[in-house]
Amino acid sequence: GQQVMQIPQYQHVQEGEDFTTYCNSSTTLSNIQWYKQRPGGHPVFLIQLVKSGEVKKQKRLTFQFGEAKKNSSLHITATQTTDVGTYFCINTNAGKSTFGDGTTLTVKP
Amino acid sequence: GAGVSQTPSNKVTEKGKYVELRCDPISGHTALYWYRQSLGQGPEFLIYFQGTGAADDSGLPNDRFFAVRPEGSVSTLKIQRTERGDSAVYLCASSSFVGNEQFFGPGTRLTVL
Repeated sequence: GQQVMQIPQYQHVQEGEDFTTYCNSSTTLSNIQWYKQRPGGHPVFLIQLVKSGEVKKQKRLTFQFGEAKKNSSLHITATQTTDVGTYFCINTNAGKSTFGDGTTLTVKP
Repeated sequence: GAGVSQTPSNKVTEKGKYVELRCDPISGHTALYWYRQSLGQGPEFLIYFQGTGAADDSGLPNDRFFAVRPEGSVSTLKIQRTERGDSAVYLCASSSFVGNEQFFGPGTRLTVL
C-alpha cells in the first residue's frame, strides 16, 4: 500500500485535553485503517474507512476520511491515561501494508 | 476462538546462526503477514501470503530471509546466518481476506548477540 505521512510524530497532553492525529497522502487512497499500539504491545485494529467523507465514532474517538480520499484524521475527546500509545494509519491496497512511525501520544494525569 | 499466536516469544541467538519463527494465524484466515519492528519505529512490512503462496515478498531485506506457509495456515519465517542488525520484534498478523482488518500476534523478540 501507499505510505501515508502522519503528523505529529509525538503529542503530549494533559489528561482531559483533546488530541488529533492526521494522515496525508499525495494520491487517492482506496481505504484507511487505524491501529493503536500500547507500549510493549502489538498493534490493535481500531477502524477502517472506505467511503469519501466518511465519519465514524467509537465512544470518545472520531475518525474521518477526507472528501478526496487523500487524508484522514483521528480525534480523541477528553483524553484519558488509557489512550496512551502509538496510533498508526495505513493503506492496505493490494495487501502490502506500509506503516509509518505513527503518532505517539503521552498523557499526563 | 484463539487469536494469532507466535512462538517462541523470545529468541536469543548468536551471530551466524539459523533461526525459525513460527506463526499460527486465526483459523480460516486466508491472508498472513510478517512484519518486523525496531524500537521506536512502526512495523516494517516483510511479506504477505494469500493462501499458500507468497503474494508479495518485496519487504524481505535480503536472501537470508525466507518464509513459507505450506498448507495455507501456519507460517514459518526463516533467517539464515543471523546478523546483529536482525535483532527486532517480528510480528505476524492474519486477516480473513487481503485488505481486511489485521489481527496481530504478540510477536517474537529476536536478539542476535
